[in-house]
Amino acid sequence: EDKVVQSPLSLVVHEGDTVTLNCSYEVTNFRSLLWYKQEKKAPTFLFMLTSSGIEKKSGRLSSILDKKELFSILNITATQTGDSAVYLCAGLNAGNNRKLIWGLGTSLAVNP
Amino acid sequence: DTGVSQNPRHKITKRGQNVTFRCDPISEHNRLYWYRQTLGQGPEFLTYFQNEAQLEKSRLLSDRFSAERPKGSFSTLEIQRTEQGDSAMYLCASSFTSGGAADTQYFGPGTRLTVL
Repeated sequence: EDKVVQSPLSLVVHEGDTVTLNCSYEVTNFRSLLWYKQEKKAPTFLFMLTSSGIEKKSGRLSSILDKKELFSILNITATQTGDSAVYLCAGLNAGNNRKLIWGLGTSLAVNP
Repeated sequence: DTGVSQNPRHKITKRGQNVTFRCDPISEHNRLYWYRQTLGQGPEFLTYFQNEAQLEKSRLLSDRFSAERPKGSFSTLEIQRTEQGDSAMYLCASSFTSGGAADTQYFGPGTRLTVL
């Protein structure tokens, strides 16, 4: 059965710290891994990773995929209180339904 | 605003009542997904459409749930005879899928349902 596991489940840091969020996956017909940020509303898209070893960056956020070891990491440098959110990763099953298999998320709290 | 929109944003209903939610996807997106999310969980797949065809429905979805996308644009999700366990955030997402391309799903703001 397809599954996505994220760790840690929750994390509390101080502003300015760097954090690394982990996501491992077992997804049949795997095509891509997606990261979303969820505050008190619907998930907002961050990254889609399809190729192994190629880092994607957006400001202080970056992410990379390892298709051999079946995991991805999301890094946030110089964290700010506005980074506080639940970070969700999802594996895209490239079968006909393009179903996203979701992890439970990592709840990040950045304290001032 | 050209993102995914959902209405209503909040719905409070009494047990046993029927409710209907609407989702307007990003225009030209051919796929539309419905998810349900409860506190501390990732989104749970309910069903999806490609254009007007409903191609998959989760086995977790009881017969009280029905979804339509009559013209391949907006979609409605109806829950009949609501139960307290139906209380959740109902999320809609849309994407454009073409052949073997990887596609990103973009989410609407969600409809939060509370069943009293």
